[in-house]
Amino acid sequence: EAGVAQSPRYKIIEKRQSVAFWCNPISGHATLYWYQQILGQGPKLLIQFQNNGVVDDSQLPKDRFSAERLKGVDSTLKIQPAKLEDSAVYLCASSLAQVEQFFGPGTRLTVL
Amino acid sequence: AQKVTQAQTEISVVEKEDVTLDCVYETRDTTYYLFWYKQPPSGELVFLIRRNSFDEQNEISGRYSWNFQKSTSSFNFTITASQVVDSAVYFCALSEAPGNVNDYKLSFGAGTTVTVRA
Repeated sequence: EAGVAQSPRYKIIEKRQSVAFWCNPISGHATLYWYQQILGQGPKLLIQFQNNGVVDDSQLPKDRFSAERLKGVDSTLKIQPAKLEDSAVYLCASSLAQVEQFFGPGTRLTVL
Repeated sequence: AQKVTQAQTEISVVEKEDVTLDCVYETRDTTYYLFWYKQPPSGELVFLIRRNSFDEQNEISGRYSWNFQKSTSSFNFTITASQVVDSAVYFCALSEAPGNVNDYKLSFGAGTTVTVRA
């Protein structure tokens, strides 16, 4: 069974630029999560989707971050404009209406 | 308030030594789940174990063992006879029972970096 796919794996941008990350969850998984992991910290939930609807986006900085999950499968997370403090690993996870979440390899973002 | 505390930031051991990682959690729910994840240098979070709040039995899986004690709100993880491949960051996480079965969210601790030297 294929795992959660994410791209790109690495991205370097200048502050105030825009960036987008892509996630393809495990086939059939209805729930999709985006986490932000700052160096030296545990992952922090940014947004959770159930199919193509948002369940929780309370921790998403909505002035600059946006996410969508069209058709309830793939998802994109966008940052516009990026700030230095957005440098982090962005992890995508999916679950099949169960407690266990399966994580992708993450996208490491560096904002200069 | 932090829900999951991993007091040890870094642990360094020599191969074949045992290493125990501490995890203390905080919740008001009577139903909850506890997890341990491993994050090797490649960056992907690897699921190790899940425990629900009603199952306090200790568990052993190969060289890994877990000690769950509700009385002290702790869920500690021991690696026996450590190997170089065990070098990684280990995260403890808590998921409190939601009203909606699809609404599980994980709260992670800050992680413990384990370095096993040959």
